Parts: sequence; structure tokens; C-alpha cells
Amino acid sequence: AQSVTQLGSHVSVSEGALVLLRCNYSSSVPPYLFWYVQYPNQGLQLLLKYTSAATLVKGINGFEAEFKKSETSFHLTKPSAHMSDAAEYFCAVSDGGSNYKLTFGKGTLLTVNP
Amino acid sequence: EPEVTQTPSHQVTQMGQEVILRCVPISNHLYFYWYRQILGQKVEFLVSFYNNEISEKSEIFDDQFSVERPDGSNFTLKIRSTKLEDSAMYFCASFASKPFSDTQYFGPGTRLTVL
Repeated sequence: AQSVTQLGSHVSVSEGALVLLRCNYSSSVPPYLFWYVQYPNQGLQLLLKYTSAATLVKGINGFEAEFKKSETSFHLTKPSAHMSDAAEYFCAVSDGGSNYKLTFGKGTLLTVNP
Repeated sequence: EPEVTQTPSHQVTQMGQEVILRCVPISNHLYFYWYRQILGQKVEFLVSFYNNEISEKSEIFDDQFSVERPDGSNFTLKIRSTKLEDSAMYFCASFASKPFSDTQYFGPGTRLTVL
């Protein structure tokens, strides 16, 4: 069975500061890992994904994440926060099996202060 | 850019009533999913559907739930007799399948409120 743990249900940063959202996963097989973003009253939008290629993955809006197998982590970072980054961020894992279903973490709400 | 659409955006119903949530997946996708998100909680997998049948379902997906792809474009989730605890945001997702894609695309969701 797979699981995802997102440390910190709420992260607050100042505009221009580093954003770091933590995600640890548990999977019995090599995982596929995803970060989705949810803006208020909207659906889930894919930010980036790791699917066994490069361990450092770049996504949209200046976000990137690094897959670290030894730490079972896939933390999301952005060097400089923008007000428009305020949203809820979900880490998800798939085993890439026949159904490709996603298991999500509880989400981290990012607020950006001016 | 192709997208997954869902209707209605918000549904209010009385406890015990039947509801049908509708989704139009991306046209060349083969796998379809329903997830739900109870307010303040994480997104949970409900069911996956492939080749016109359920391929996997979670413990949440009991006999009150059913899915259908009635006409080759729509994908529906029916809740036969709604309960208060069914109040949630329901997301539909679709997936092309490997080797074409690794990504599930999500619709905007239907907020279901059971009174």
C-alpha cells in the first residue's frame, strides 16, 4: 500500500522568500510522484511529476522538486514566492500499476504575505 | 487544450435522494476516475474505470455508489441514497495510459451538499 505524508498543513512565507513544501512517501515499488496545486474554488492542476527519469524535476510557475530515494522524499521548492502562489498544494503517489490510481497527502496551504 | 469538464459545479440535495454527477473526460483517454475531498481533508480515491468496467474501487465505494459511461463521452457517478457524510467535492479525472502519458487530468469538481 502506498501513502503520502505532507509535513505542515499550513506554510506561510513572505513574498520573495523561499518556498519549501515537504512530502514523504511510502511505496513498495518504484513510485511515480506528483505535485498538484488547487487554487480557491478550482480543480487540481498538475505542477510537476517524477516518473523515474531525472531526479530533479522542473514544473510550471518556477517550481521544482527533487526525488530522493534514500529519504523517500519529494519536496517542492520555489526560490522566490509570488503572491499568486497562494494555494493548496497536494503531493500524490502512484505505483504505476494497472489502474494508475493516485494516493494523495493531506495538502499544505501556502499563504504568501506581502 | 483539452480538459475534463464536470457538471453541475454545485449540487444541493436532501438526505436519501439520488444524485448523478457528470463528467466529460478528455476524448482519447482510456482510464477514468472519481475522487472525493471532504472539506478540510485530503483527496481520496473512489473508483477507477477502464474498458467499460470498474477496475478498482476503494472501501468508500459501497453499494450506494455506481459509475457508468453511458454514451462513450460522459462518465457518471451515481449516489443512490445520499447521506450527510457524502457532502464533499467530487473530482473526475482521466488518463490516456502509457506510453502516451503519466498524468491524470482533473476536472474542476462538483461540490455536493447533502442537507
